Amino acid sequence: DIQMTQSPSTLSASVGDRVTITCRASQSIGSWLAWYQQKPGKAPKLLVYKASNLESGVPSRFSGGGSGTEFTLTISGLQPDDFATYFCQQYNTYLTFGGGTRVEIK
Amino acid sequence: QVQLQESGPGLVKASQTLSLTCTVSGGSISSGDYYWGWVRQHPGKGLEWLGYMYYSGSTYYSPSLKSRLIISRDTSKNQFSLRLSSVTAADTAVYYCGRFKNNVVEFWGQGTLVTVSS
Repeated sequence: DIQMTQSPSTLSASVGDRVTITCRASQSIGSWLAWYQQKPGKAPKLLVYKASNLESGVPSRFSGGGSGTEFTLTISGLQPDDFATYFCQQYNTYLTFGGGTRVEIK
Repeated sequence: QVQLQESGPGLVKASQTLSLTCTVSGGSISSGDYYWGWVRQHPGKGLEWLGYMYYSGSTYYSPSLKSRLIISRDTSKNQFSLRLSSVTAADTAVYYCGRFKNNVVEFWGQGTLVTVSS
């Protein structure tokens, strides 16, 4: 099984901040990584696929990067709507998700 | 716009079978290069992929659940279903159905909480 580890588990930030979330895979997954945003009581929403491709309609302040075993999701200029939990997901071998990173208001 | 809606019992007794149905609108489950499947989320925890069915009918399951899980479909109703047998408290979760493209979930249902009681 490929394990996905996200850090930090919680991140405190202010509106306008640049924040970066990291996701590490237990083995190389190439670029087969996606990022999702989830708000309380709602289903996740796809943000990024294949490590760095922004899903249609997702604001350009979101960006994904990395390959192999280390990946990042960066939000440049945090907006009030961005306070949520973010999950990474590998799809190199089956599908597994990271444990999540909660972005909270500082 | 594709929409998905889960339905089924919210309470299941331990050792019994959990059954859920996902009704799809705005797209056919038997056409297009898509997979239709299930993800669950234990209370306050992360996400777990359970399995999916290709538009052709082929099924793929998480190795950890393969022995207990069946995903099937009714194309006449544009629905697909999940059956998870021999449930325990560890199967208590919010269950989401979704449309997968290239192994990422493009569209999600709203989710349904299933509690396993003893």
